[in-house]
Amino acid sequence: SSGLTQDPAVSVALGQTVRITCQGDTLRTYFANWYRQKAGQAPILLIYGKDKRPSGIPDRVSGSASGYTASLTITGAQAEDEGDYYCNSRDSSGTRMFGGGTKLTVL
Amino acid sequence: QVHLQQWGAGLLKPSETLSLTCAVYGGSLSAHRWSWVRQLPGKGLEWIGEIIDSGITFYNPSLKSRVTIGVDPSKMQFSLELTALTAADAGIYYCARVYSAALDCWGQGTLVNVSS
Repeated sequence: SSGLTQDPAVSVALGQTVRITCQGDTLRTYFANWYRQKAGQAPILLIYGKDKRPSGIPDRVSGSASGYTASLTITGAQAEDEGDYYCNSRDSSGTRMFGGGTKLTVL
Repeated sequence: QVHLQQWGAGLLKPSETLSLTCAVYGGSLSAHRWSWVRQLPGKGLEWIGEIIDSGITFYNPSLKSRVTIGVDPSKMQFSLELTALTAADAGIYYCARVYSAALDCWGQGTLVNVSS
């Protein structure tokens, strides 16, 4: 498959740890980036280059990768972490692609 | 701190052309690519294409026949044209900056409706 696959929805208890995954053939070669989008807002970049955080993103948000899978981990989940999470990468032709998104609910 | 401000007509008829512009404030057009992304109703994000300040473009193959992305370095702006609109093109369109292969700064989004 040339796409990126994410679970449609994930939930986590307040204060617990959650992992959101992204799978795709292209992730064997190219890093994944991660974004969070809240309703009515533009996405914001959380992780780039597999595990780098832009300034302002807390270190309880982290990225990792193994084989065909990239992961975003949030430790100590807070209510403000709710939203839609998207992974993104590229293929060998340079076409950028996004995963279908994962809706995170904090219980 | 780079800020992107976008604008353009949001209510269009089928077969018309969407034209959006994105202005870059607080940064330089050079050394970055500049991208357009859309979000169709209830769906995820779709990359449309991007441009370098030299004018070299890269397009999503699925939209390539209908898309033109341009840049005006003198105005610190880049633009999107999408032709032959249909209802399937309705959604929110975003401009964004490419940094280290990620989209690190986004415009506020433009809601596009296509209806006769």
